[in-house]
Amino acid sequence: GAVVSQHPSWVICKSGTSVKIECRSLDFQATTMFWYRQFPKQSLMLMATSNEGSKATYEQGVEKDKFLINHASLTLSTLTVTSAHPEDSSFYICSAPWRGGYTQYFGPGTRLTVL
Amino acid sequence: GQQLNQSPQSMFIQEGEDVSMNCTSSSIFNTWLWYKQDPGEGPVLLIALYKAGELTSNGRLTAQFGITRKDSFLNISASIPSDVGIYFCAGQSPKSSNDYKLSFGAGTTVTVRA
Repeated sequence: GAVVSQHPSWVICKSGTSVKIECRSLDFQATTMFWYRQFPKQSLMLMATSNEGSKATYEQGVEKDKFLINHASLTLSTLTVTSAHPEDSSFYICSAPWRGGYTQYFGPGTRLTVL
Repeated sequence: GQQLNQSPQSMFIQEGEDVSMNCTSSSIFNTWLWYKQDPGEGPVLLIALYKAGELTSNGRLTAQFGITRKDSFLNISASIPSDVGIYFCAGQSPKSSNDYKLSFGAGTTVTVRA
């Protein structure tokens, strides 16, 4: 199978600061990546679709100015949480389609805690 | 994406027992995926199903893509303690060649009694 990595695995920051999370496809290229948010004991909530070479597509209710997405290359997408507040604390996970898009692999997730 | 109906929500099972969970949808899907998520980690792909009626195994795991394309089930045989975790079903119904969004079930939490 394919491997997707995320960095960092966890981050603690002060309220008002910005945090960048990286998602990399290690052994395949991904023109599309997805960013999810997950609260404890809940399912994954899609935040946005990251598109290489073009703007990200955000799901309804997700603030695009709050969650900046940049798909800089065929193997890297970044999610920046700007001016983070405690309510942004969550588990953020990325995924990438593989082999024509019919299988998706997830990263290990990033735990964000905003103090 | 839309929420899939996944059941049961949780289960306590005896080690050695067989387990079954399923997902249903009001829409047709082209792909069904089953994932397992351990605490603090990302979902790990267990089985991928691409054709209606397809039955696929991965070790003690077996999953089937329903004939109607609106449902799928996952079976775990002879449960062991490491089967503990949350299992998610996910369906994909591409509207275009570049739309790979997944719809997720709410998850089934499996706890094994030793």
